Amino acid sequence: EAGVAQSPRYKIIEKRQSVAFWCNPISGHATLYWYQQILGQGPKLLIQFQNNGVVDDSQLPKDRFSAERLKGVDSTLKIQPAKLEDSAVYLCASSLGDTRETQYFGPGTRLLVL
Amino acid sequence: DQQVKQNSPSLSVQEGRISILNCDYTNSMFDYFLWYKKYPAEGPTFLISISSIKDKNEDGRFTVFLNKSAKHLSLHIVPSQPGDSAVYFCAASVRGGANNLFFGTGTRLTVIP
Repeated sequence: EAGVAQSPRYKIIEKRQSVAFWCNPISGHATLYWYQQILGQGPKLLIQFQNNGVVDDSQLPKDRFSAERLKGVDSTLKIQPAKLEDSAVYLCASSLGDTRETQYFGPGTRLLVL
Repeated sequence: DQQVKQNSPSLSVQEGRISILNCDYTNSMFDYFLWYKKYPAEGPTFLISISSIKDKNEDGRFTVFLNKSAKHLSLHIVPSQPGDSAVYFCAASVRGGANNLFFGTGTRLTVIP
């Protein structure tokens, strides 16, 4: 079974530029999560989708971050404009459902904002 | 506010000995706890979990203990192997919540051959 796929793996941009990350979850997984992991910290949830609806986006900085999950499968996370403090690893995870289901993580996208 | 805390950033253990990783939490609404393992350049991988109705869960070499009164859990690895060298994250989720996880800051375990 294929795992969670993410691209790109690495991205370097300058502040005020925009960037987008892509995630393809495990087939059949209804729930998709985006986490931000800043160096030296644990992952922090940014947004959670159930199929193509948003379950929780309370920690998403909505003035610059946006995410969508069209057709309830793939998802993109966008940052516009990026700030220095957005430098982090962005992890995508998926699970079968949203109640005590194991979350499977992708390899992450490492973003460096200069 | 860090609701899940791992106060030891690193731990070194000899191969064959026991590794004990600790985690504390502050939110009394947490009722499900997990440990994830992370290798460099990979995403976290689920290791073991425990519900708040239990105080111990065992899976092979890995055992998680939960002390609800102390809001503390620990992961025991016996015997430790060099392949166990990784960063271990403790995570928790809220009763009735939407399965979003609150992670600790991680403990880097090094198992010395």
